[in-house]
Amino acid sequence: EPEVTQTPSHQVTQMGQEVILRCVPISNHLYFYWYRQILGQKVEFLVSFYNNEISEKSEIFDDQFSVERPDGSNFTLKIRSTKLEDSAMYFCASKDTGSNQPQHFGDGTRLSIL
Amino acid sequence: LAKTTQPISMDSYEGQEVNITCSHNNIATNDYITWYQQFPSQGPRFIIQGYKTKVTNEVASLFIPADRKSSTLSLPRVSLSDTAVYYCLVRGTSGSARQLTFGSGTQLTVLP
Repeated sequence: EPEVTQTPSHQVTQMGQEVILRCVPISNHLYFYWYRQILGQKVEFLVSFYNNEISEKSEIFDDQFSVERPDGSNFTLKIRSTKLEDSAMYFCASKDTGSNQPQHFGDGTRLSIL
Repeated sequence: LAKTTQPISMDSYEGQEVNITCSHNNIATNDYITWYQQFPSQGPRFIIQGYKTKVTNEVASLFIPADRKSSTLSLPRVSLSDTAVYYCLVRGTSGSARQLTFGSGTQLTVLP
């Protein structure tokens, strides 16, 4: 069964540094998403991406964050000037065309800011 | 976005059928009901979704009454490995990029 893959599985970074989280969505999917989950809390929506542009974003997704689809297979989340409170699991998801298609999630990147 | 309410936790024993009910009183006409499963340190895994009546796949059944204000996820003969958090979500379909809004979910613990 095709799946969403994310790398790295765990990223440790010093506060203030930039990180790039990488995702390979399911190959024929056209809709891409980033979510995050702070330890012990709910899964929160960050951003959705379609046709090479952001479709929706939450209040969390401020100027510190950016997304990119640099080629035909990768989807990245960049976090600039990381803060301690950015420590969380970051999940990528993708969805096929069709309003009744579900989102499929990767297993996440655990980001630890020191 | 329709708000969902589900029990915080449930316990069951191996081999039993587990039913988790979710209420979504403000569901809109075009909304789908979707259930995900999440294990610790893993991403949510899609289980099943439906619009009305009953949907069944290889892992679960989803029962939706005619008024669609609630739904019940049924897991037949659970095993220890079914211990996880189960999320009920109501998903809009207008604008295919629509985000998912997760609640706190139901922590299902399967006991030996």
